[in-house]
Amino acid sequence: SAVISQKPSRDICQRGTSLTIQCQVDSQVTMMFWYRQQPGQSLTLIATANQGSEATYESGFVIDKFPISRPNLTFSTLTVSNMSPEDSSIYLCSAGLLNYGYTFGSGTRLTVV
Amino acid sequence: SQQGEEDPQALSIQEGENATMNCSYKTSINNLQWYRQNSGRGLVHLILIRSNEREKHSGRLRVTLDTSKKSSSLLITASRAADTASYFCATDALDNFNKFYFGSGTKLNVKP
Repeated sequence: SAVISQKPSRDICQRGTSLTIQCQVDSQVTMMFWYRQQPGQSLTLIATANQGSEATYESGFVIDKFPISRPNLTFSTLTVSNMSPEDSSIYLCSAGLLNYGYTFGSGTRLTVV
Repeated sequence: SQQGEEDPQALSIQEGENATMNCSYKTSINNLQWYRQNSGRGLVHLILIRSNEREKHSGRLRVTLDTSKKSSSLLITASRAADTASYFCATDALDNFNKFYFGSGTKLNVKP
């Protein structure tokens, strides 16, 4: 299964600023996803990162707030824009081949102050 | 959650006992996955079961799937303190088998 390196592992940011989170996969994968996990909660799918085209966002998430890039089959970024304290959460990327199950990065713990 | 619910929300057992967690989902699926998350850590993929499968095993883990009831269960046999974690099921959608939505999770505490 794919191994994912995600960074940064944590950050404390000022409100109104933006943070870009990176995910690097050790092999080419067709599917990459971004999730958010609020403290003590389950994971919520933000979007599917599509290689060579715009990301596909889930209901409640918009490109202006969470722009995503996927320049190739091993790399993706998620930007959390114009942050507010409500954006404090853990952000996780996921990738893989369906037959083997999807793996996750170790997550980015974001605190907005 | 976006797709399913799990019960119980929390489960506390003694080491050596079996732990059973249940997942119910709302719409028909192609695949269902189970994950483990240790506190503050990333998720570990445990098992993927397809809609045409009824049961899968992996070591001390046994997963069943009942598509007529839209439910799945994860059984951990002979539990260990190291099994203490949150367990999540994740399901895809019949018209999109690539992306997965997570259930609410079960927090398992295995007491030594």
